[in-house]
Amino acid sequence: GQNIDQPTEMTATEGAIVQINCTYQTSGFNGLFWYQQHAGEAPTFLSYNVLDGLEEKGRFSSFLSRSKGYSYLLLKELQMKDSASYLCAVPDSNYQLIWGAGTKLIIKP
Amino acid sequence: IAGITQAPTSQILAAGRRMTLRCTQDMRHNAMYWYRQDLGLGLRLIHYSNTAGTTGKGEVPDGYSVSRANTDDFPLTLASAVPSQTSVYFCASSGTPGNTGELFFGEGSRLTVL
Repeated sequence: GQNIDQPTEMTATEGAIVQINCTYQTSGFNGLFWYQQHAGEAPTFLSYNVLDGLEEKGRFSSFLSRSKGYSYLLLKELQMKDSASYLCAVPDSNYQLIWGAGTKLIIKP
Repeated sequence: IAGITQAPTSQILAAGRRMTLRCTQDMRHNAMYWYRQDLGLGLRLIHYSNTAGTTGKGEVPDGYSVSRANTDDFPLTLASAVPSQTSVYFCASSGTPGNTGELFFGEGSRLTVL
């Protein structure tokens, strides 16, 4: 079956770097998504990885290893506004997204 | 730029009542989705529509129905609400069917069933 695991909560300091991991199990692979969701708001798209390696987009980078069923989201130069939940998702065999429960990131000054 | 509009934003409903959550998009996206989000769980797909006139069942379809009469509108109906349907409901759309493209979400509808 399909399964996605993420840590429930992480804490980091403003200005630091944090890595949020995601492991997945799927039959077949059609890419991996990361979304950001601030409390009380809708999720917004961050990244989509379909090939192995690191993709950088400003302060945020996303890494994928298909052989290990593993991805991480790297956030640099953390700002207070980065306090949010980060959701990992992969399409299942019917191309419908399966979502992790999300990682709540708390940024402390 | 409106994107996706959901209504109502919040609703308290008595068990057994019928309720329709409205969703309208102005991006001319073919694919639309309804998710529910509960504390400690990931977003779960209720129903989806890859194009106007077609719908499909997601992971948790029981107790819900949808229709897709045109490209823009995708209402979700609870025929007879039960307390376990208390949740935050998100409508989403994508220009790329099959979930290989970015999803755009509405602001959510918070539903409480008593």
